[in-house]
Amino acid sequence: GESVGLHLPTLSVQEGDNSIINCAYSNSASDYFIWYKQESGKGPQFIIDIRSNMDKRQGQRVTVLLNKTVKHLSLQIAATQPGDSAVYFCAETSGGSYIPTFGRGTSLIVHP
Amino acid sequence: NAGVTQTPKFQVLKTGQSMTLQCAQDMNHEYMSWYRQDPGMGLRLIHYSVGAGITDQGEVPNGYNVSRSTTEDFPLRLLSAAPSQTSVYFCASSTGQGGTGELFFGEGSRLTVL
Repeated sequence: GESVGLHLPTLSVQEGDNSIINCAYSNSASDYFIWYKQESGKGPQFIIDIRSNMDKRQGQRVTVLLNKTVKHLSLQIAATQPGDSAVYFCAETSGGSYIPTFGRGTSLIVHP
Repeated sequence: NAGVTQTPKFQVLKTGQSMTLQCAQDMNHEYMSWYRQDPGMGLRLIHYSVGAGITDQGEVPNGYNVSRSTTEDFPLRLLSAAPSQTSVYFCASSTGQGGTGELFFGEGSRLTVL
């Protein structure tokens, strides 16, 4: 199948900075996207999702942006904290499928 | 609410041995799945199930068997372990309503095959 990938495997930021994690997808039929956070030694956890009929969605300190024209997804974390250090995965589905395709992940390292 | 529970958390096997990774969820989710996670490879789907009695293969099914006799349980069996199966295994579940919700993951089972 088509793949979902990430531009940067590792992102290092200072505490308090804003972080941006990017994700490129190749399936133009993708219509639902999720970001997951995986802390060391734990399973991935849901952060935020967005449907293809939206281009922006905000949560608590997180914002997901979707650009369908260039098939690009980003996760913005405001005022990054050490507790945000984790691996972040994007995932996508299409056509109502319940089987997501995951990207490879980006490791976010937050320096105090 | 326990969510998705995996056992064991850690296991060491010798090549050729068999074992079963257990997965149970208490959310009455129809959809359950098994992933393996290797460094730099992300999450790869092994097998999945859309309900009791129904299973299907994912991206990397070879060497693994599954069954789904109840809604709650979805065990993953390694018939004859190989070093290439050294990985971290995650079980996940969801409501199965396509495109509407997230997967709930267990804490993972770290398997080493010597």
